[in-house]
Amino acid sequence: EAGVAQSPRYKIIEKRQSVAFWCNPISGHATLYWYQQILGQGPKLLIQFQNNGVVDDSQLPKDRFSAERLKGVDSTLKIQPAKLEDSAVYLCASSVGTGWGNYGYTFGSGTRLTVV
Amino acid sequence: AQSVTQLGSHLSVSEGALVLLRCNYSSSVPPYLFWYVQYPNQGLQLLLKYTTGATLVKGINGFEAEFKKSETSFHLTKPSAHMSDAAEYFCAVSDANAGNQFYFGTGTSLTVIP
Repeated sequence: EAGVAQSPRYKIIEKRQSVAFWCNPISGHATLYWYQQILGQGPKLLIQFQNNGVVDDSQLPKDRFSAERLKGVDSTLKIQPAKLEDSAVYLCASSVGTGWGNYGYTFGSGTRLTVV
Repeated sequence: AQSVTQLGSHLSVSEGALVLLRCNYSSSVPPYLFWYVQYPNQGLQLLLKYTTGATLVKGINGFEAEFKKSETSFHLTKPSAHMSDAAEYFCAVSDANAGNQFYFGTGTSLTVIP
């Protein structure tokens, strides 16, 4: 079974530039999550989708971050404009669905963003 | 609200020694509890999880954890450390009332000394 795919693996940008990350969840997984992991900290949820609808985006800095999952499959996370403090690893995860508990919850390898 | 506390951001043990990583949680509902391991430049890999049933949970790579409701703890142990165990370990609690999102601790970096 293919895992959660993320790209790119690494990205270096200058502050005030824009960047986008892509995630393709495990086939059949209805729920998709984006987490931000700052160095030395545990991952923190940014946004959660159920199919193509947003379940929770309360911790997403909406003035600069946006995310979409238009067809209920893959998802993109965008930062515009980036700040130095956005330097982190952005992890995508997927699970079968919230009604299934955490069944099949799987993390991707992440995208490491460095803002200089 | 759910939260997780991991005592000690760094732990060094000798190869062959006991590994004990501490995790305490706060949850308003019966918790689902997890331990994840993260190797450098890699994603999170599930070690083990507790949902219901037996409170002593066995995971991969010889790790196990015990859910103690009275102590709100879910400590991770391994009887004998191996060099390949060197990694970052995260404890997490899942909130079934919040779409099963995870709340992670700050992590413990394990170093194994030969």
